[in-house]
Amino acid sequence: SQTIHQWPATLVQPVGSPLSLECTVEGTSNPNLYWYRQAAGRGLQLLFYSVGIGQISSEVPQNLSASRPQDRQFILSSKKLLLSDSGFYLCAWNARDRSIETQYFGPGTRLLVL
Amino acid sequence: GESVGLHLPTLSVQEGDNSIINCAYSNSASDYFIWYKQESGKGPQFIIDIRSNMDKRQGQRVTVLLNKTVKHLSLQIAATQPGDSAVYFCAERLYTGNQFYFGTGTSLTVIP
Repeated sequence: SQTIHQWPATLVQPVGSPLSLECTVEGTSNPNLYWYRQAAGRGLQLLFYSVGIGQISSEVPQNLSASRPQDRQFILSSKKLLLSDSGFYLCAWNARDRSIETQYFGPGTRLLVL
Repeated sequence: GESVGLHLPTLSVQEGDNSIINCAYSNSASDYFIWYKQESGKGPQFIIDIRSNMDKRQGQRVTVLLNKTVKHLSLQIAATQPGDSAVYFCAERLYTGNQFYFGTGTSLTVIP
């Protein structure tokens, strides 16, 4: 069965510091991978998605970036965090060939920028 | 489409009653829809899905109805239990793409 991991679970960072959040998927190959952000009490905002290694599509221009160095690894980064980057970051996957269409989510990373 | 800037609507129901949560989607080219349940501090959890060539699908205690004419999706939960208290999101996917777009979400509170 497939499993998706995210770490860290929580993170407190000062404004202007760098960020690196990691997501890995087990039990599948060639997944589509997604990064979402969720502000407190709000819906999910798609940030990035990837259909393959090195392929990143950005949905919202901002100071965040994403990378996919390996098939089942998706990284969300920032060089300098802003207060507005605080939120709950969720990684998700589904099957690129649509054999599994449902998006499955990881446990999330709660980021607080102070 | 996305509705990420709005505060969550809320729904309170008595334990044992049926719950109906509604979602309006924006794109007539969407071909696949999912309902998720999200408990506080956790990632969204898949509940049930439906394709655009269907108008109803049933799971265990849950039913999803799709009305493509008015671009409306609903989730019915039978005999609602305290463990059903959570935020519920609908998501739509365009048939041409890989992206999913989420509704605002509805906060369901079950009163014992």
